[in-house]
Amino acid sequence: NAGVTQTPKFQVLKTGQSMTLQCAQDMNHEYMSWYRQDPGMGLRLIHYSVGAGITDQGEVPNGYNVSRSTTEDFPLRLLSAAPSQTSVYFCASSFVGTGAGGEYSPLHFGNGTRLTVT
Amino acid sequence: KNQVEQSPQSLIILEGKNCTLQCNYTVSPFSNLRWYKQDTGRGPVSLTIMTFSENTKSNGRYTATLDADTKQSSLHITASQLSDSASYICVVSVNTNAGKSTFGDGTTLTVKP
Repeated sequence: NAGVTQTPKFQVLKTGQSMTLQCAQDMNHEYMSWYRQDPGMGLRLIHYSVGAGITDQGEVPNGYNVSRSTTEDFPLRLLSAAPSQTSVYFCASSFVGTGAGGEYSPLHFGNGTRLTVT
Repeated sequence: KNQVEQSPQSLIILEGKNCTLQCNYTVSPFSNLRWYKQDTGRGPVSLTIMTFSENTKSNGRYTATLDADTKQSSLHITASQLSDSASYICVVSVNTNAGKSTFGDGTTLTVKP
């Protein structure tokens, strides 16, 4: 199993450009989420999904869009990049629900995408 | 507002020494608490998961404790190794949906030879 795969690993954008950060998992996890991590700060939730066709906003959703057309993929779209979106972005997944392997399933993280907006 | 506070912010110890990291939370209603280890340039990896009824849980040289009454948790690292150098993140959830988790800012541990 590859786990959670994020691409690209590094990206530089100019202000106003748009792009999509890719996230894929092969563990059949229902729950997927996107976080940003800024220096000296904790991980902050951007958007999350509890299954295909279902998405919801997290703590810092402005400037980002998501969709969940399949269980495996959860792309994050930056609509018009701003310097304030310079950060490291992490995708994570887990099981959701009660029962063995579900109720207290830990998050499995990808290794991040380092984004710089100039 | 749900909050998770970790201390110290950073810590430097010599290889072979023990250390304890602290996590205080105001998250309610409490469901579970997890400690994650994040190596530089990598995503966090779960070390332990603790529920309301658990006081202590060990994972090799890592031992987590939970006091649900005082809303405090600690992560004790025994006989530290250079590979323990990382950021340790405390995450508290209000229910079984990870989307309702609150993350601490982490403690950066540096182990020196």
